[in-house]
Amino acid sequence: DAGVIQSPRHEVTEMGQEVTLRCKPISGHNSLFWYRQTMMRGLELLIYFNNNVPIDDSGMPEDRFSAKMPNASFSTLKIQPSEPRDSAVYFCASSQWTGMGLGYTFGSGTRLTVV
Amino acid sequence: DQQVKQNSPSLSVQEGRISILNCDYTNSMFDYFLWYKKYPAEGPTFLISISSIKDKNEDGRFTVFLNKSAKHLSLHIVPSQPGDSAVYFCAVESSGSARQLTFGSGTQLTVLP
Repeated sequence: DAGVIQSPRHEVTEMGQEVTLRCKPISGHNSLFWYRQTMMRGLELLIYFNNNVPIDDSGMPEDRFSAKMPNASFSTLKIQPSEPRDSAVYFCASSQWTGMGLGYTFGSGTRLTVV
Repeated sequence: DQQVKQNSPSLSVQEGRISILNCDYTNSMFDYFLWYKKYPAEGPTFLISISSIKDKNEDGRFTVFLNKSAKHLSLHIVPSQPGDSAVYFCAVESSGSARQLTFGSGTQLTVLP
């Protein structure tokens, strides 16, 4: 398995532009999570899906952020309009129950820079 | 309100010595406690976990200790190696049907040769 695949790896955009981050989870994993990593707050959970259904989006910072999971093999995180304070590394993770806790597998992340 | 706190943003240790990373949590309703390791430009990867019904779990050079009365989790690495230099995140897994991980802010470990 190729693991969790995120694209793009790096994104530089101008303030006010729309940004779309993409994630392909591991086949068979039924949960998908979007996290944001910043120096101040570490890894913050933004939203997670279970069987393609959004379960908890309380971590989404503002209405400018939205996420979708149209099928089991694809999810997007969209920021519109983007702002400089959105600059961070965004991680997608998928998971399945292992019997010893959740088995999370993270993608390599998308480094977003909004100028 | 942070449920998981890693109060040391960084730690430096000499190669061969023990590294001790600490984590405090505020809620008693967690089933599992985990440590993840993250190298630059990569996603976090699972390192070791412990069930809430245990107080110690060992895997090679890595041992996790859980002190439920103090709501404290620690990771011991012995002996430390330069390749262990990374950011270490502790995480707690909530119980119930909506299982998810909540992470601490991370500790940068540097093992000096």
